[in-house]
Amino acid sequence: SSELTQDPAVSVALGQTVRITCQGDSLRNSYASWYQQKSGQAPVLVIYGKNNRPSGIPDRFSGSTSGNTASLTVTGAQAGDEADYYCNSRDRSGDVVFGGGTKLTVL
Amino acid sequence: QVQLQESGPGLVKPSDTLSLTCAVSDYSIISSNWWGWIRQPPGKGLEWIGYMFYSGSTYYNPSLKRRVTMSVDTSKNQFSLKLNSLTVLDTAFYYCARMPPPVGGSAFFDIWGQGTLVTVSS
Repeated sequence: SSELTQDPAVSVALGQTVRITCQGDSLRNSYASWYQQKSGQAPVLVIYGKNNRPSGIPDRFSGSTSGNTASLTVTGAQAGDEADYYCNSRDRSGDVVFGGGTKLTVL
Repeated sequence: QVQLQESGPGLVKPSDTLSLTCAVSDYSIISSNWWGWIRQPPGKGLEWIGYMFYSGSTYYNPSLKRRVTMSVDTSKNQFSLKLNSLTVLDTAFYYCARMPPPVGGSAFFDIWGQGTLVTVSS
């Protein structure tokens, strides 16, 4: 089965821009989706498709893909953006896979 | 507003079968969406369990396939998960979620339940 690899932890200074990456072969054929999970809460979808944001998600969140790497960019990070971020995709057989997650710290 | 709510036992014994239900509110389960289950051991990452269509078509995680059964009850607008031969490694928060038709080939879960903690212990 396919795998998605994320850096375990990333930090960003308040107000600066940070990129969280997700690598995997399945990303060559389908876009990644991204989720934000704050402590004690269920995950929330923040990016899906090429670069689509669900209603209510600030435009500070954006997504992109190059080859087998998907990226979630947070522009002007705020304290409230501190959370775990997960990517996911689906491979050709229909199996869904999640990345291991990245803990974002806003300094 | 669409809401999903998991229900089931919080404590189950090793070797038993876990049964969870996800009730869908303010949205018909008979739609173009798929319906999925995801779990998360405390302090760890997300693991996809499976997803299904209201017609009964299913996709299961290969690593769990031998132990998982998903079903749907359209009359109650809910879907269910059964996981057998439980071990302590199955202790996790279990989430149900809605999976819309793919966009750009991507699979995503746009609405999640609040999750329910299931502990496997004797």
